[in-house]
Amino acid sequence: QVQLVESGGDLVKPGGSLRLSCAGSGFTFSDYYLSWIRQAPGKGLEWISYIDGTEKFINYAASVKGRFTISRDNAKNSLFLQMNSLRAEDTAVYYCARRLWNGYSNYFDDWGQGTLVTVSS
Amino acid sequence: QSVLTQPPSVSAAPGQKVTISCSGSSSTIGSNYVSWYQQVPGTAPKLLIYDNNRRPSGIPDRFSASKSATSATLVITGLQTGDEADYYCETWDTSLSVEVFGGGTMVTVL
Repeated sequence: QVQLVESGGDLVKPGGSLRLSCAGSGFTFSDYYLSWIRQAPGKGLEWISYIDGTEKFINYAASVKGRFTISRDNAKNSLFLQMNSLRAEDTAVYYCARRLWNGYSNYFDDWGQGTLVTVSS
Repeated sequence: QSVLTQPPSVSAAPGQKVTISCSGSSSTIGSNYVSWYQQVPGTAPKLLIYDNNRRPSGIPDRFSASKSATSATLVITGLQTGDEADYYCETWDTSLSVEVFGGGTMVTVL
């Protein structure tokens, strides 16, 4: 079955950097778009970024553009999120999700369990 | 404020029905498919509905959804205590070229 496992969450000071990872298994990793979605404590879901299987199509939410970088290593079935210039408002659980594109619509059909990032001095 | 507007909470007794609305615009729901996610407290979200009204395998037919113009609706019938969760609508925003979620609706079984 599809499995996505995030790691790398930690406590980091404002202005600091952190790299999140997501290990995928149970599917042909390179065939799928993947996304990062976050959830601040007590708040709703916020889409952050997606990347296609070839790294040709990448997109970011305005709130993280220029500070966060999504990438992947298909040989290692891994997705990454490099987060720089972190702010208190970046504090959230970060989820890795498989983004299914069927030619006319897209949706997130599998999610990891999330990893907590806390930005605080 | 979310691009997609949902009521903060809805509630009903066991066995009853709840309806959750998701209001968008011509550039979001009006021109794209809608998906719905269920998030039981303390767990990751789970896909409930995709392509406006289709259920993944394993999702009971007590969950149904529809879309009309710039709004979407999720209906849960035969409400069970296990349905207590937050529910989110989601779609693509053609104007901003980003994915957008609703603010979420908490379902309480009285």
